[in-house]
Amino acid sequence: EAGVTQSPTHLIKTRGQQATLRCSPISGHTSVYWYQQALGLGLQFLLWYDEGEERNRGNFPPRFSGRQFPNYSSELNVNALELEDSALYLCASSLIPGEDYGYTFGSGTRLTVV
Amino acid sequence: AQKVTQAQTEISVVEKEDVTLDCVYETRDTTYYLFWYKQPPSGELVFLIRRNSFDEQNEISGRYSWNFQKSTSSFNFTITASQVVDSAVYFCAFPSDSNYQLIWGAGTKLIIKP
Repeated sequence: EAGVTQSPTHLIKTRGQQATLRCSPISGHTSVYWYQQALGLGLQFLLWYDEGEERNRGNFPPRFSGRQFPNYSSELNVNALELEDSALYLCASSLIPGEDYGYTFGSGTRLTVV
Repeated sequence: AQKVTQAQTEISVVEKEDVTLDCVYETRDTTYYLFWYKQPPSGELVFLIRRNSFDEQNEISGRYSWNFQKSTSSFNFTITASQVVDSAVYFCAFPSDSNYQLIWGAGTKLIIKP
């Protein structure tokens, strides 16, 4: 069974540009979660999608957005990139949303903003 | 407030030594889950264990063991006879009571020297 896959592995963007990160969940998982892991700041919850809907978002500005497609894959978009957006972005999926917490994580996309 | 504290930023030991990683949490909840994840240099978060607060028995899985002490709000992780492959960052995590997301400790970087 394929795990959670994220693409691209690395992404280098210039300040002010937009970045698009992609995540494919484990087959059968309907919930997708996005986390940001910035140096020195630990893991911060970004967004949670389930059944195509945004269920919750963390304390991030609106320029962080995303969507979930009918096949449950997901995109994270970051607009007007700032230097401090440089981080590892991790995607996780789960079969049962919310309380189960049975997350499986992907290997992440390392975004560098220059 | 809910919080997870991993006071040890970095631990370095020689291979075959035993090592314990500390985790202390704060919660108002009477029942909850606790988690440990491993993040090797490749970046993905690898699930190690999920414990329910109902079950205070220690758990052992091969060289890994976990000591859950509800009275002191601690959930410590011990690696016995450490190996170089155990080198990674280890995170303790705890679900938020407000939005079903995990609150993460800052992580402990474990270095196992040959």
